[in-house]
Amino acid sequence: DAKTTQPNSMESNEEEPVHLPCNHSTISGTDYIHWYRQLPSQGPEYVIHGLTSNVNNRMASLAIAEDRKSSTLILHRATLRDAAVYYCILRDASGGGADGLTFGKGTHLIIQP
Amino acid sequence: DTAVSQTPKYLVTQMGNDKSIKCEQNLGHDTMYWYKQDSKKFLKIMFSYNNKELIINETVPNRFSPKSPDKAHLNLHINSLELGDSAVYFCASSHRLRQGYNEQFFGPGTRLTVL
Repeated sequence: DAKTTQPNSMESNEEEPVHLPCNHSTISGTDYIHWYRQLPSQGPEYVIHGLTSNVNNRMASLAIAEDRKSSTLILHRATLRDAAVYYCILRDASGGGADGLTFGKGTHLIIQP
Repeated sequence: DTAVSQTPKYLVTQMGNDKSIKCEQNLGHDTMYWYKQDSKKFLKIMFSYNNKELIINETVPNRFSPKSPDKAHLNLHINSLELGDSAVYFCASSHRLRQGYNEQFFGPGTRLTVL
């Protein structure tokens, strides 16, 4: 899986929007952009994924740059429960699909009340 | 209902012992995984298993072996435990055929402490 770069940590206030950036300048045409998060003392959980178009689901939105070399995970109204480590991961759709996820260091999101 | 479950949640044991961690998924997935999260919080894939095809991360010692009695289970056996094996181990599952856009579901983790 191609490499991603994320800030080590970010801080935001409760009930405000949060924009978590991810750079993936070496992304290939068959790479999907996935986001996972890990709440304290829990296993990682899937947040959202996309290929080229922006995506929305009940948890978040994913904005993908036109050249696909960067993306932004958007939490529209952060709550204390959103405090977690957020991982941006590229997944090659041309692969067999049975390989595991390659986690980087992620972004530690701190939410202030 | 728990989608991916692991037992035990905590495991404390002595160096040199052999231990197993169990994982079960009730999602009907065909692929299961084991990950290790060390004390610095780095998450690394150890194994993925699909229909008797095992993909091994080359950095995993051969003291670690996954065993799958059926599609819903992938247990992790560890022989001759070492201090460096202390970590949190996560099981996960997914559909293989959805390839690059398959989401993985993770279990709650098993914290292994080797004394």
